[in-house]
Amino acid sequence: QKEVEQNSGPLSVPEGAIASLNCTYSDRGSQSFFWYRQYSGKSPELIMFIYSNGDKEDGRFTAQLNKASQYVSLLIRDSQPSDSATYLCAVTADRGSTLGRLYFGRGTQLTVWP
Amino acid sequence: DGGITQSPKYLFRKEGQNVTLSCEQNLNHDAMYWYRQDPGQGLRLIYYSQIVNDFQKGDIAEGYSVSREKKESFPLTVTSAQKNPTAFYLCASSMTSGGMNEQFFGPGTRLTVL
Repeated sequence: QKEVEQNSGPLSVPEGAIASLNCTYSDRGSQSFFWYRQYSGKSPELIMFIYSNGDKEDGRFTAQLNKASQYVSLLIRDSQPSDSATYLCAVTADRGSTLGRLYFGRGTQLTVWP
Repeated sequence: DGGITQSPKYLFRKEGQNVTLSCEQNLNHDAMYWYRQDPGQGLRLIYYSQIVNDFQKGDIAEGYSVSREKKESFPLTVTSAQKNPTAFYLCASSMTSGGMNEQFFGPGTRLTVL
């Protein structure tokens, strides 16, 4: 069973601060990594994906991947109250797999207070 | 508008009943997935399909059944054999079943057993 671990939180940051969300995974062969945002009562929304080691930036969001440490993170700069949600980390299966299935962490609940 | 639709939004089931949840996509995606989400839990894969007329069990397939007769449609039946079906059910799709393709989610169906 593939393991994807996230701190459940809640993580609470003031408006304008940087929120840092972390995720570790057990399968060293995992190739693709995704961050989903899920508002209460709603379905997950894809906000970032990263395939290569290093950083990937998209607006206020930065995904960081370190395959050697089996670690992926999401940074949210200039956090806004509208960023308050649960953030799910998801990881694909091994290299060469055609299954395309994702393994999800339990999510980290983020609260941004004004 | 392209997207994934699920119906109904809310569903109530009596003990011993089978119910079917609908999932339709017009994104021309090959792969479709069904997940279950319980409060405070991550997403657990029930079934997935990479191509029409083919599907595979996920991690928690017992008590569920699916069909994939059309590319656009992937209905899920929750049978009376599923002892604890109350949950939030999410359908997703992706372009191919390859490991790098992002999954997009429908709005979900919330099932409650009376």
